[in-house]
Formats: sequence, structure tokens, C-alpha cells
Amino acid sequence: GAVVSQHPSWVICKSGTSVKIECRSLDFQATTMFWYRQFPKQSLMLMATSNEGSKATYEQGVEKDKFLINHASLTLSTLTVTSAHPEDSSFYICSATGRLAGEETQYFGPGTRLLVL
Amino acid sequence: GQNIDQPTEMTATEGAIVQINCTYQTSGFNGLFWYQQHAGEAPTFLSYNVLDGLEEKGRFSSFLSRSKGYSYLLLKELQMKDSASYLCAVRAPYNQGGKLIFGQGTELSVKP
Repeated sequence: GAVVSQHPSWVICKSGTSVKIECRSLDFQATTMFWYRQFPKQSLMLMATSNEGSKATYEQGVEKDKFLINHASLTLSTLTVTSAHPEDSSFYICSATGRLAGEETQYFGPGTRLLVL
Repeated sequence: GQNIDQPTEMTATEGAIVQINCTYQTSGFNGLFWYQQHAGEAPTFLSYNVLDGLEEKGRFSSFLSRSKGYSYLLLKELQMKDSASYLCAVRAPYNQGGKLIFGQGTELSVKP
């Protein structure tokens, strides 16, 4: 079945540093990937849509210069949290659209937990 | 605007049946998804409906009525491991990006 991986699964960093999170589709090509953020006890909030070979589409209220997205290939998208601050601490999850048993759906990566000190 | 509503919490007994409802009002529709999410983990895909009717997958079934903007997820023979958050999501049409719009999730607690 469709598998999406994320790396790293956990990251702890100091305030002011930048953190890069990778999202890979392992057995299928994904022209579109999505990045979400989830705070405790809340639902997933879509941050941006990552399109292979073009600029990402950001949701309203998400700072483009702070959350840099690069979709360099059909199997890899990266999210860089620049100059991270404690309020950026969250669970970041990517997803990719794939096809399983004839159904097209979105498959989620395992998530990356970011803690900014 | 986009609005997806589902109950915040539900409690059910092991072995019973529970139905989690989801109503939606969105500017476009390209399918409705149900995901299960255990605490601290990413969501896992449960079901997908794009046409009206019932889709059955083992202990889980999902129903859709597009005219009513309504879906439900039915869980049968509940097990303790079914305690999780259940997320209803509507997919936007591809010409609107094909993104998923999530409800706030329903926290299901299964009691012995």
C-alpha cells in the first residue's frame, strides 16, 4: 500500500534556529503533497499545498517566509521552519495523494514532533 | 465558507455499535474521508465516499448523502483499541487544489 515517511520524527532545537522536515512518498509518485500542523487536542490545520516543480500554495495566515516549502521531486517535499520560536512547537504532518485498490486518497506520514526551547 | 461539524466527544461500551455523524457545508465537494487518529500518532485512512450510499469495510462502514451534506461512520463490535479521535474530512475539487478540509474530530472513548 501507499506509504509516506517523514524525517525526523522528533526534533528539539533552540529558539532562533531553522529546522528542516522531509516528507517522502516511498512507493508512489506524488505531484501534490500537503503540510499540516496539529496542536494538542486540536484537529489538523492545513498549512500549505506543495506542488512538484512550482511554488507552494499557502493557507491564509501562514507565513510564507517562515515556513519554506520545496517540492524538488515527485517523491520528496521539505518544510523548513526558519528562525523557530517556542510557539512553533507542534506536531507537523505531511500527506500525499496516492492510489490504493483503485481508490485515490491522501496518505499521511507519521508526523514530526517539534519542540523549540 | 467551509464548515464541517462533528461531535466533540462520544462514549460507548465494548462490543457495542457507535455512529459518528458529520455534516458539512463547503463550496465544493470531491469526496469525503474518515480517518482514525490515536493520541500522538498521525491519522490513518479508514474510508472514502464520493457517491451516495454505504461503504462497508469489515467492522467499519461509512455513509454519504450529498444532498443532505451528511455522512456517518459506523463502528461495530467495538474494541478497546477503537478509542481514538475520528476525523471527518471533505476534499475540495481539483481545480480548488484538492485539499482536505477537516472537522474538529470526535474523541471516542470505549469503556469495558
